Amino acid sequence: GQNIDQPTEMTATEGAIVQINCTYQTSGFNGLFWYQQHAGEAPTFLSYNVLDGLEEKGRFSSFLSRSKGYSYLLLKELQMKDSASYLCAVLDSNYQLIWGAGTKLIIKP
Amino acid sequence: GAVVSQHPSWVICKSGTSVKIECRSLDFQATTMFWYRQFPKQSLMLMATSNEGSKATYEQGVEKDKFLINHASLTLSTLTVTSAHPEDSSFYICSARPGQGIYEQYFGPGTRLTVT
Repeated sequence: GQNIDQPTEMTATEGAIVQINCTYQTSGFNGLFWYQQHAGEAPTFLSYNVLDGLEEKGRFSSFLSRSKGYSYLLLKELQMKDSASYLCAVLDSNYQLIWGAGTKLIIKP
Repeated sequence: GAVVSQHPSWVICKSGTSVKIECRSLDFQATTMFWYRQFPKQSLMLMATSNEGSKATYEQGVEKDKFLINHASLTLSTLTVTSAHPEDSSFYICSARPGQGIYEQYFGPGTRLTVT
């Protein structure tokens, strides 16, 4: 079967750094996406990794290791507005997105 | 670019009535559109995938006669919830994918449906 695991909830402090992990087992791999979703809103795109390594985009970075079936999203200089759910999704061999359950990130002052 | 609109943003209807939700890609042509539903504090659940001009592919457990999907053009897909019941109350989100090697899905803002 296809499976994507990520922690259900994490808590971090404003101004700090947090790493949200995602492990996956899918039938094929054509890339991994990270989306941010605020409560009551639709997801917004954060990053896409298809090759191994780190992709940096401002305060957010995403890392991928295909051999380990592992990715993480790194958020630096946390702000209160970063409180949201972060969804990991893998594009499988049929180019269908397989979604993780999401990680709810709580930022405390 | 890559804007997807969804209408209405919220709707309240009575049991037994039908509700139509529209999803439009405003500045690109979407070869594929997706419909999701999301219950409070839960992740996205894919309901169906539709390609322009062909029948939608429904996920297991989703009643195709209850959730009618039409993808009549490269910029418009509609989801009709027929004979709505209170348990159909949910957040419905559409997304669109341009195709041509672009696999990112662009999401609409969602429609909150409440069935009384």
